[in-house]
Amino acid sequence: EIVLTQSPGTLSLSPGERATLSCRTSQSVSGNYLAWYQQKPGQAPRLLIYDASSRAPGIPDRFSGSASGTDFTLTISRLEPEDFAVYYCQQFDMSPPLYTFGQGTKLEIK
Amino acid sequence: QVELQESGPGLVKPSGTLSLTCAVSGGSISSSDWWSWIRQPPGKGLEWIGEIYLRGGTNYNPSLRSRVTISADKSKNQFSLQLSSLTAADTAIYYCARNHGFNLDYWGQGTLVTVSS
Repeated sequence: EIVLTQSPGTLSLSPGERATLSCRTSQSVSGNYLAWYQQKPGQAPRLLIYDASSRAPGIPDRFSGSASGTDFTLTISRLEPEDFAVYYCQQFDMSPPLYTFGQGTKLEIK
Repeated sequence: QVELQESGPGLVKPSGTLSLTCAVSGGSISSSDWWSWIRQPPGKGLEWIGEIYLRGGTNYNPSLRSRVTISADKSKNQFSLQLSSLTAADTAIYYCARNHGFNLDYWGQGTLVTVSS
């Protein structure tokens, strides 16, 4: 089973700053099938990025994703007040079929 | 715009069986071949429970496989989750979602299920 490790656990920043969130996988992820989700309190997760770097429909272009080997990064170029939330990475393992999530990074207002 | 809505009992007794339904609206359940259930214990992270393939077949999280059944009723545009032999550890918000490639693009709002006597 592939394990996803997100860092940092909590990130304290101010609106307008740049946020960099990390997700490291314990093994290579086939096809870079890694996604990022945003979850606000009392809400369901929302898909932001899929296949490591493709933005989901309706997601602002300040959100971007990248990959380098087993290291995946979600970048928010200029934080807006509504971006403060918990972010999860997720990958899909084909054998056996299994979706796995990271433990989450809480992005909080400094 | 596809919308998903979970429904079912909010309180279930230990050793009992949880039964939830996810109603799909704003489009056909056949808009995707795969549909999933995910859960989240209060204040904790996300755990994928399993998925159903509308053309036939299911995949379950190995950690839950012995207790899970996911089914679908295309005529009602819905799919369902059953989880048996419940303990307090199964207390969670349960979400249904649509599979999109190898991720989950539409989610229900979630329903809290508490396992308690």
